Order: sequence, then C-alpha cells, then structure tokens
Amino acid sequence: GENVEQHPSTLSVQEGDSAVIKCTYSDSASNYFPWYKQELGKGPQLIIDIRSNVGEKKDQRIAVTLNKTAKHFSLHITETQPEDSAVYFCAASLTGNQFYFGTGTSLTVIP
Amino acid sequence: AAGVIQSPRHLIKEKRETATLKCYPIPRHDTVYWYQQGPGQDPQFLISFYEKMQSDKGSIPDRFSAQQFSDYHSELNMSSLELGDSALYFCASSLGRGRNYGYTFGSGTRLTVV
Repeated sequence: GENVEQHPSTLSVQEGDSAVIKCTYSDSASNYFPWYKQELGKGPQLIIDIRSNVGEKKDQRIAVTLNKTAKHFSLHITETQPEDSAVYFCAASLTGNQFYFGTGTSLTVIP
Repeated sequence: AAGVIQSPRHLIKEKRETATLKCYPIPRHDTVYWYQQGPGQDPQFLISFYEKMQSDKGSIPDRFSAQQFSDYHSELNMSSLELGDSALYFCASSLGRGRNYGYTFGSGTRLTVV
C-alpha cells in the first residue's frame, strides 16, 4: 500500500514568516494529494489539494507544489498568522476514496 | 452550509462493552468514510461505503462493523471494546465514489474505553 512520510513533526515560526511542510509518498500511481488542517478537538479541514497533472497550486497565502518524479509534495504558507497554528496533515490517494495520511506537523506561529 | 454530523461527540464505555457511532453525511453525498485517529496519530482509514454498499476496507478490526442506510447515514458498531480502541473516530462524506476528490470530515466522536 501507499506510505506517506511527513516532515517536520513540529514547526515554530514567527508571525509573518513562511512555513514549509514536506511529504513524500511511495506509490507512483497516487494522483491526488490533499492537505488538511486540524485544530484541537475538530475534524481535519481541507485547505488545498493538488492533482498529479498539476505542478503547483496557489490559494492566497497557501501554495502546494508537487514533484511527481521525486514523489514529493510540499505545503507553503506565507505571511503566517497566529490562527494558522494547528496540526497539518498531508495525504495521498489513488482512487479518491481511501486517503493515506502523513504523520502530521504541529505548526506554532509565535506572535 | 450543512456539514457532516457525528453523534455522539463524546462516549465513555467500559472494556468489553459495545458502542455505536453515527454519521450523517452532507445532503446529497452518497459516500461515507470512517477513520480512526489515536492520540497524536494520523487518521487511519477503516472503511467506506458508496450507495449503501461497502466500497473499500482498511484497517478495521473484525470486532467492528459498519453499514450505510437508505438515507445514507452510516453507523459504526464496535463490540468487545478494548482500551486501545480509545480514539477519535471521524466520518467523512463525498459525492460520488472516486469522482469528486476531496471529502469533508465531521468533528468526530471521542471514544474513551475505561
């Protein structure tokens, strides 16, 4: 099955700085890569996703890049704000049904 | 907008008891997924249903069973509970099996087995 690795496990940045979270996947057939933000006591919320036919996608302060050859994808958050503090999960999927999640990154934005 | 509704939000059970978790998908969504998230862990896929039929099966223990009803809500039945079953259980829903990527999670049920 698919194996998704995520780094770093914890990340602290100053408010206004950028944050980068990286994931690698093992199954070259995976073709959909969502990113989820999970706040304490809440379910994961989709923040951005990318499909394998696209190399980069942006949505305001959030961007995701995908390198299919190297089988890795990254989340970039610019101009971080305290409300960005949460746990972020990457995931990979082949069918769009079952997602394989990374182990999560706890992001802390220091005011 | 309506979201995925899970009930109960919190549940405390003793070892060897049974528990039933319910999930009400977003209206018109026909696919439901169940995930288990242990403390400090990433969500692990348990099982999914599409149009009331089991679609995919993940790491769901034999002690657990699930089904999707005619109104598309789903129930996860857990028997002979063990301490290790203590976790957050998330349900998610989507429209179309594999056709529309990206599904919406509910807020979860926190199960504590004592």
